[in-house]
Amino acid sequence: SAVISQKPSRDICQRGTSLTIQCQVDSQVTMMFWYRQQPGQSLTLIATANQGSEATYESGFVIDKFPISRPNLTFSTLTVSNMSPEDSSIYLCSVLVQGPNQPQHFGDGTRLSIL
Amino acid sequence: AQSVAQPEDQVNVAEGNPLTVKCTYSVSGNPYLFWYVQYPNRGLQFLLKYITGDNLVKGSYGFEAEFNKSQTSFHLKKPSALVSDSALYFCAGGQTGGQNFVFGPGTRLSVLP
Repeated sequence: SAVISQKPSRDICQRGTSLTIQCQVDSQVTMMFWYRQQPGQSLTLIATANQGSEATYESGFVIDKFPISRPNLTFSTLTVSNMSPEDSSIYLCSVLVQGPNQPQHFGDGTRLSIL
Repeated sequence: AQSVAQPEDQVNVAEGNPLTVKCTYSVSGNPYLFWYVQYPNRGLQFLLKYITGDNLVKGSYGFEAEFNKSQTSFHLKKPSALVSDSALYFCAGGQTGGQNFVFGPGTRLSVLP
């Protein structure tokens, strides 16, 4: 498996501001993903971070709101833009170390509260 | 479309008793299935997987799961529950050959001393 470091672990932000979340992996991985999770609820996939190209967004998520970067095979960022209280959630980074049909491994998440 | 269901929001079991957390799936073709556990303020931790082979899969911390194709189920089990097993459990699944999978809604397990 891989060791995944996610920063910050939590933050409290003002409405209308933006926050960038970082995900660092200790080894090169094939794929990286970003999820959103309401506390105690299930996970919703935001997008797949593609190395060297634009991320692939799921239905209901757009690049202007959640810009994603993946400059190399070990690092990705997710920005939550123009935040509102509805964006208060847990944001999780996950990676796929091996090929298809294999489990994703998760960071500990970023707990975001918007005032 | 693929989906995973966990029919129980909450499961309570006494310490030392066997536990079962239920999962059913709807996946086109051959499925691959996972169980994850999430402790408070942590990310998801992988427990076990089924891809092919034996229907009974053994994983971390004494957990196991049985794949049942006819019932489209993949229930998580442990012979003797510990208080430390109390957490949120997620079943996830997808279609063989895919790289994305879907998560079930989660089941909160409480093991009572």
